[in-house]
Amino acid sequence: DAKTTQPPSMDCAEGRAANLPCNHSTISGNEYVYWYRQIHSQGPQYIIHGLKNNETNEMASLIITEDRKSSTLILPHATLRDTAVYYCIVRVPKSGGYNKLIFGAGTRLAVHP
Amino acid sequence: NAGVTQTPKFQVLKTGQSMTLQCAQDMNHNSMYWYRQDPGMGLRLIYYSASEGTTDKGEVPNGYNVSRLNKREFSLRLESAAPSQTSVYFCASSLREGQGLSPLHFGNGTRLTVT
Repeated sequence: DAKTTQPPSMDCAEGRAANLPCNHSTISGNEYVYWYRQIHSQGPQYIIHGLKNNETNEMASLIITEDRKSSTLILPHATLRDTAVYYCIVRVPKSGGYNKLIFGAGTRLAVHP
Repeated sequence: NAGVTQTPKFQVLKTGQSMTLQCAQDMNHNSMYWYRQDPGMGLRLIYYSASEGTTDKGEVPNGYNVSRLNKREFSLRLESAAPSQTSVYFCASSLREGQGLSPLHFGNGTRLTVT
């Protein structure tokens, strides 16, 4: 599975967009990019995932570059409740067996008033 | 929907004691997982169950056993607790494993301290 690189920490003002980058330069053609977050003392929470195309849901948008070597998670209007550690993960579909989900160190996002 | 429910939330054990961590999901998911999270180590998979009736080892299975009691419930047992098993334990579930790429839904964890 491809490794990912994320900045250790970022700040964002409340109400502004938070753009969290992720580098996955060794990603393979069939590997998906997943984003999870973990708010203090809670379990990780799924946010969004994608393969090639940009994706949007009620929580966030995912922008994947054309060469798929990097992606950006966008929280369009960050709130204080978005303060969390954000994990970018790549995952390959596999028939049978376990699709290993490797959580790295993530990016600690602090949203301030 | 409660999602994934873990009990207990906190537990303190003495070395050598045994205990079972309980996990239940109400989303009709097929696959369930147990992870542990330690500072600086990220989440590591202990065991998983791709479907009812099957269980498989993950990255760090030593010292643990699991039981997939039915489709809803997946328990993790520590037969003889050791201080190295002090950790936060997360249970997760997904619609299916293997061919699918269903997102994982996590519980809020059990904080275990072994003295």
